[in-house]
Amino acid sequence: EPEVTQTPSHQVTQMGQEVILRCVPISNHLYFYWYRQILGQKVEFLVSFYNNEISEKSEIFDDQFSVERPDGSNFTLKIRSTKLEDSAMYFCASSAPGQGEETQYFGPGTRLLVL
Amino acid sequence: RKEVEQDPGPFNVPEGATVAFNCTYSNSASQSFFWYRQDCRKEPKLLMSVYSSGNEDGRFTAQLNRASQYISLLIRDSKLSDSATYLCAVNELEAAGNKLTFGGGTRVLVKP
Repeated sequence: EPEVTQTPSHQVTQMGQEVILRCVPISNHLYFYWYRQILGQKVEFLVSFYNNEISEKSEIFDDQFSVERPDGSNFTLKIRSTKLEDSAMYFCASSAPGQGEETQYFGPGTRLLVL
Repeated sequence: RKEVEQDPGPFNVPEGATVAFNCTYSNSASQSFFWYRQDCRKEPKLLMSVYSSGNEDGRFTAQLNRASQYISLLIRDSKLSDSATYLCAVNELEAAGNKLTFGGGTRVLVKP
């Protein structure tokens, strides 16, 4: 069964450093998403991406965040200058075009710890 | 403010029993509804989509009540492996980017 993959599984970084989180969505999917979950809190939407551009972003997704699809398979989330409050689990998700396109499948997540 | 709310639980359920819980949503324009299962420190895994007519998948039954703006999940014949946090998620058509809004989850503990 095809699945979304993410690397790294864990990342520890110093405050102010840049991090890049990587995702490989399911191969025939065209809609891509990033969510985050701070420990003990809800899963929160960050951004959606379709046709090589951002479709929607939340208020969390400020100028410190960016997304990119650098090639045909990877989808990345960059945080330019990490803050302590960026520590969270970051989930990538993807969904397919056509009927049922709203059904999103999640990757295993990257646990980011900012010190 | 658009919200999706769930009873956090925990629901302590004897093995073999039935458990049911709801999720309320505030935006009447919401169009698509889902139940996800999340194990500790893992990703949400799709359990089932929720259709207007209600749907069943094995021991799991989901219902949608548009008038009262809630969805429900019922688990029959609970197994120890059903212990998890169950997240409801709502997709609002007016959101251009297919954004899912999640509830905080309902924790279910199935005990022998």
